[in-house]
Amino acid sequence: GAGVSQSPSNKVTEKGKDVELRCDPISGHTALYWYRQSLGQGLEFLIYFQGNSAPDKSGLPSDRFSAERTGGSVSTLTIQRTQQEDSAVYLCASSSRADGNTIYFGEGSWLTVV
Amino acid sequence: LAKTTQPISMDSYEGQEVNITCSHNNIATNDYITWYQQFPSQGPRFIIQGYKTKVTNEVASLFIPADRKSSTLSLPRVSLSDTAVYYCLATTSGTYKYIFGTGTRLKVLA
Repeated sequence: GAGVSQSPSNKVTEKGKDVELRCDPISGHTALYWYRQSLGQGLEFLIYFQGNSAPDKSGLPSDRFSAERTGGSVSTLTIQRTQQEDSAVYLCASSSRADGNTIYFGEGSWLTVV
Repeated sequence: LAKTTQPISMDSYEGQEVNITCSHNNIATNDYITWYQQFPSQGPRFIIQGYKTKVTNEVASLFIPADRKSSTLSLPRVSLSDTAVYYCLATTSGTYKYIFGTGTRLKVLA
């Protein structure tokens, strides 16, 4: 696609429920990133993928968070048993070595846990 | 990975030139410097990228001195719509764990 696409754009869920956030990167971008941004705060790195592999998962806040990427394209970030502190915007980005690894972001998925 | 440091906030008036400096003392030889702009409720947007000396595009200029331990984003004649948070980031082709700093919150006043 023309840009990084994320869905849903907004999600309200009840505490304790599981949520899945989807990211469709720019076509041909091999690297994919997930960040989290709480209201008024900076960008918190969560995880990156090179192809389908996530070499470093240390940025994930807890074991309730997981992410996968299939076919070197779409990625899903899953949050299990959501808590109120999970409320934030989850930003996905992608990059390509051919473009100097410039990161291009999507518009984010706004998650509210009530 | 190079850690970046920026001022937390800056105020400016419309029509002025704004310079935002980022420190990256431990920048690696292969690192590029990339600046992003973020408006409220939107994802960060790429502004400019450079390796050394000066880079200019239709939006901004980026100055990187010879030692590359800092860089300065220059926004000419800012307008109210330039009010945003600006992030600098050191990126290296081949590594992907990019940690953003706190960013600089620029407020442009009428």
